[in-house]
Amino acid sequence: AQKVTQAQTEISVVEKEDVTLDCVYETRDTTYYLFWYKQPPSGELVFLIRRNSFDEQNEISGRYSWNFQKSTSSFNFTITASQVVDSAVYFCALTTTGTSGTYKYIFGTGTRLKVLA
Amino acid sequence: NAGVTQTPKFRVLKTGQSMTLLCAQDMNHEYMYWYRQDPGMGLRLIHYSVGEGTTAKGEVPDGYNVSRLKKQNFLLGLESAAPSQTSVYFCASSFRTGGVTGELFFGEGSRLTVL
Repeated sequence: AQKVTQAQTEISVVEKEDVTLDCVYETRDTTYYLFWYKQPPSGELVFLIRRNSFDEQNEISGRYSWNFQKSTSSFNFTITASQVVDSAVYFCALTTTGTSGTYKYIFGTGTRLKVLA
Repeated sequence: NAGVTQTPKFRVLKTGQSMTLLCAQDMNHEYMYWYRQDPGMGLRLIHYSVGEGTTAKGEVPDGYNVSRLKKQNFLLGLESAAPSQTSVYFCASSFRTGGVTGELFFGEGSRLTVL
């Protein structure tokens, strides 16, 4: 079965601090994809990144970076020099192309990030 | 550039009433999904479809039915609404082609309250 765990329910930081959001996943399939989404207070879901299981290179996009480690089944998300506009709920998600849960996208319970001015 | 459109955006129902949420996508995606979002529970998959005429159960399918008569539309029905179905519902679609799996494209959400 597939599972995504975001153990951090809520994190508060002061503006300009760096913050890392944790995501741990479980799957028996060898081919899978991981995602991060942002849900700001307005409620829409904003896609941030997609990563497949064969690409373990870390990725950086501006102040955002992602650390994918298959050895620990983790796909962590770091925001550098956080800003108030980063305040949102962040979701990690998993989908596989194997036989266990094919086509399903399974989400973690989300981490609420509050960035204080 | 509509993407994924959900209607209605808001609805209040009385216990026992029925209703249908409509999801329409204009991206020619094969795969469509219905999720519900409740505080502290994240996004939970209700039903999904891998193509026109097909549907499958997700994590929390009880009390809901779905239909995918046309590729672009995915309907979510509540036959007899219950207060436990008060939630925000999100529809999403995605593609898989050439061995590549895409991300989910979400609608704006539909807030349903059952009294």
